[in-house]
Amino acid sequence: DQQVKQNSPSLSVQEGRISILNCDYTNSMFDYFLWYKKYPAEGPTFLISISSIKDKNEDGRFTVFLNKSAKHLSLHIVPSQPGDSAVYFCAASALGGNEKLTFGTGTRLTIIP
Amino acid sequence: NAGVMQNPRHLVRRRGQEARLRCSPMKGHSHVYWYRQLPEEGLKFMVYLQKENIIDESGMPKERFSAEFPKEGPSILRIQQVVRGDSAAYFCASSPYLLGPGTEAFFGQGTRLTVV
Repeated sequence: DQQVKQNSPSLSVQEGRISILNCDYTNSMFDYFLWYKKYPAEGPTFLISISSIKDKNEDGRFTVFLNKSAKHLSLHIVPSQPGDSAVYFCAASALGGNEKLTFGTGTRLTIIP
Repeated sequence: NAGVMQNPRHLVRRRGQEARLRCSPMKGHSHVYWYRQLPEEGLKFMVYLQKENIIDESGMPKERFSAEFPKEGPSILRIQQVVRGDSAAYFCASSPYLLGPGTEAFFGQGTRLTVV
């Protein structure tokens, strides 16, 4: 049972344009969401997070949007840079004692110079 | 402040042998998590530990797998009598407090276990 879904395994975007990565979840207990970036042969690196009391969080070129009614979140990267080429994982957690992160299967983003 | 350190980076074991994966959390971090990533899949939670205590092992297979985080030294994930299906990347993460806004889990570079 995949509680966090990233339905696009891959995405290619021209350098300088906006990259939009999507994530859907099914568990209504999730109230904290994170995006991680992963290069080959390395561990995931934390990018940005959002709690369910917000619908938007911005950090530099990265913005995460949360639509609780649709159980959907997205990560926007603008402008996209070649160094952004990586696999992006969406993760979710239910705060208040549940410490496990539930990850999606990832989206491989390729930025085309 | 060094990041989360995992060793070895690569580990090859024959079927039936034991695998020991080590994780030293970031300085000041008392919460440790182990995740497993099978090829073409996302990371799957295995176990959450605090010093000397297993808090949540709901993702651990019932047999052959065990984890510890002793008072002194690194956290150890131990896999006994390995089988080919155990081949995966094992990631350790740590955090200073309970996860939440402003407190994220930082991951190590992983140990890639190959069972031959």
